Amino acid sequence: NAGVTQTPKFQVLKTGQSMTLQCAQDMNHEYMSWYRQDPGMGLRLIHYSVGAGITDQGEVPNGYNVSRSTTEDFPLRLLSAAPSQTSVYFCASRTGSTEAFFGQGTRLTVV
Amino acid sequence: KQEVTQIPAALSVPEGENLVLNCSFTDSAIYNLQWFRQDPGKGLTSLLLIQSSQREQTSGRLNASLDKSSGRSTLYIAASQPGDSATYLCAVKDDYKLSFGAGTTVTVRA
Repeated sequence: NAGVTQTPKFQVLKTGQSMTLQCAQDMNHEYMSWYRQDPGMGLRLIHYSVGAGITDQGEVPNGYNVSRSTTEDFPLRLLSAAPSQTSVYFCASRTGSTEAFFGQGTRLTVV
Repeated sequence: KQEVTQIPAALSVPEGENLVLNCSFTDSAIYNLQWFRQDPGKGLTSLLLIQSSQREQTSGRLNASLDKSSGRSTLYIAASQPGDSATYLCAVKDDYKLSFGAGTTVTVRA
């Protein structure tokens, strides 16, 4: 059972480039979410989904897009990368009020 | 807006000492509280989940308590070991999302 899988693990982008961070889970969880982690600030919610076809914004959604066409996948798109988006990105999934499971993270640097 | 605070930000103890990590939150209308461990450069590993109706949860050397009315949770780690060195995060679930504290970084000295 793989749990939550994120790819890539590391990425360097130039300012203005776009890219997609991939997230997949094999636990049939309906809830999936993306967080970013910055030093001293804890994890902040970017976007979340309560099921296939349903997404909504979190605390810091600007500059990011998401879609959820299947239960398993929840990709995060950076439309035009900026240095302020340098961070560690985590994808999480859960069902109802059970524990949340996190991926290993994607470390993104925007230069 | 839910605010989650973890104090202290860092803690250093000798091996064998018991660890006490604190987490406080401002809105008591939570569904559950989850404690995580994060090693440097790694993801989050779930340690314990306490539902809002529970007062405590135990797993091995770990015990977490929850006082929803006062907005507090405490994670106790008995007989600490150098392998317990990590950052510990608490997160509260309210409605659709988890709100995280900034974490307590623990160093256990051999």
